[in-house]
Amino acid sequence: GAVVSQHPSRVICKSGTSVKIECRSLDFQATTMFWYRQFPKQSLMLMATSNEGSKATYEQGVEKDKFLINHASLTLSTLTVTSAHPEDSSFYICSATAPRKNTEAFFGQGTRLTVV
Amino acid sequence: GQSLEQPSEVTAVEGAIVQINCTYQTSGFYGLSWYQQHDGGAPTFLSYNGLDGLEETGRFSSFLSRSDSYGYLLLQELQMKDSASYFCAYHNQAGTALIFGKGTTLSVSS
Repeated sequence: GAVVSQHPSRVICKSGTSVKIECRSLDFQATTMFWYRQFPKQSLMLMATSNEGSKATYEQGVEKDKFLINHASLTLSTLTVTSAHPEDSSFYICSATAPRKNTEAFFGQGTRLTVV
Repeated sequence: GQSLEQPSEVTAVEGAIVQINCTYQTSGFYGLSWYQQHDGGAPTFLSYNGLDGLEETGRFSSFLSRSDSYGYLLLQELQMKDSASYFCAYHNQAGTALIFGKGTTLSVSS
């Protein structure tokens, strides 16, 4: 099956700093990737849709200036959490669907962000 | 509005059969999917129903009734390793993001 790789798997940062999370499709090209956020024991909440070569589409309530998304190539999308605060601590996961198989989403391993 | 409803918790013993129900209310619908997630891990795809009826994949089966806005995941011959969270999810349309239900925590005991 298609493989999506996410890096880093864990990161601890200080309040006020920025953290970049990478999401790569390893064996297929993904014109669209999706970023989710998950709090403990809760569901995956869609944050934004990342579109290659154009601006991301953010869900209502998600601050686009705080969660910067860049999708500069067909295999890489990045999420930068800017000026992180402890309330941004969460599990961030990206996903993509492979061409001609859009009924199955492939997820990265997720990034556990802790802001101290 | 958009919503998916599923039970928050289910418990069962090894070897048993469990059914996790999911009802949905959406403005657009492109099939119902099921994903499994172990603690700290990423969701993994289990099944997809685009049309009404039953889809079987090994010990797992999934059912969809579009007229009833209802589906279920059936897990047979439960094993301890099946203890995880199970999410029903749908796409509004082809190629769009999955929208997830709140998840059902399945605990399998010996």
